[in-house]
Amino acid sequence: QSVLAQPPSVSATPGQKVTISCSGSSSNIGDNYVSWYQQLPGTAPKLLIYDNNKRPSGIPDRFSGSKSGTSATLGITGLQTGDEADYYCGTWDSSLSAVVFGGGTNLTVL
Amino acid sequence: QVQLQESGPGLVKPSQTLSLTCTVSGGSISSGSSYWSWIRQPAGEGLEWIGRIYTSGSTNYNPSLKSRVTISVDTSKNQFSLKLSSVTAADTAVYYCARDRHSSGWTYFDFWGQGTLVTVSS
Repeated sequence: QSVLAQPPSVSATPGQKVTISCSGSSSNIGDNYVSWYQQLPGTAPKLLIYDNNKRPSGIPDRFSGSKSGTSATLGITGLQTGDEADYYCGTWDSSLSAVVFGGGTNLTVL
Repeated sequence: QVQLQESGPGLVKPSQTLSLTCTVSGGSISSGSSYWSWIRQPAGEGLEWIGRIYTSGSTNYNPSLKSRVTISVDTSKNQFSLKLSSVTAADTAVYYCARDRHSSGWTYFDFWGQGTLVTVSS
């Protein structure tokens, strides 16, 4: 049971937009910045978004992040088959004094 | 470009201690405001943060693992290490090391090792 709640799976067709939600509480998302990670099959996670909505160098602007209250959202536009992966949100939990992650969302691009 | 590489035994017996080392290249482990973390992922499951260390030696551990975890750093070798004691089959996972950018209110992992599978079995 993950501290942050994500939908187990989402799907969309190439070229479309998809959003992935991440729901938490006042002690984690509500109080701290959120990051997002992409994990392609068989590889290590890769940082996509940090500080709620910032993209590291090299991450295309098709990927975006937002936060409102105790929830965060990852958006991906212009979907490509290469975007098929697991996506995780993460943040610090001030009550637990630990980094917490969502359970992950598997994106299928049909 | 910072690179991280995990190393250590791939098989550990139940009740023994799991020991892994992460070697950092492409930059000094002591540079900037970087922490260094261990994260694990059981097969088919999500990510679990184990703990972090600052180059001063200060540590934070996941409360769920705190009693069994020790993370240490060797700045002379540009390495940091993980020890997890009294392991069981539930500790079987891919273990990742990562650079941890952390300050009050924010934390994220910008560079990751490729991961190493550790299996706990007799």
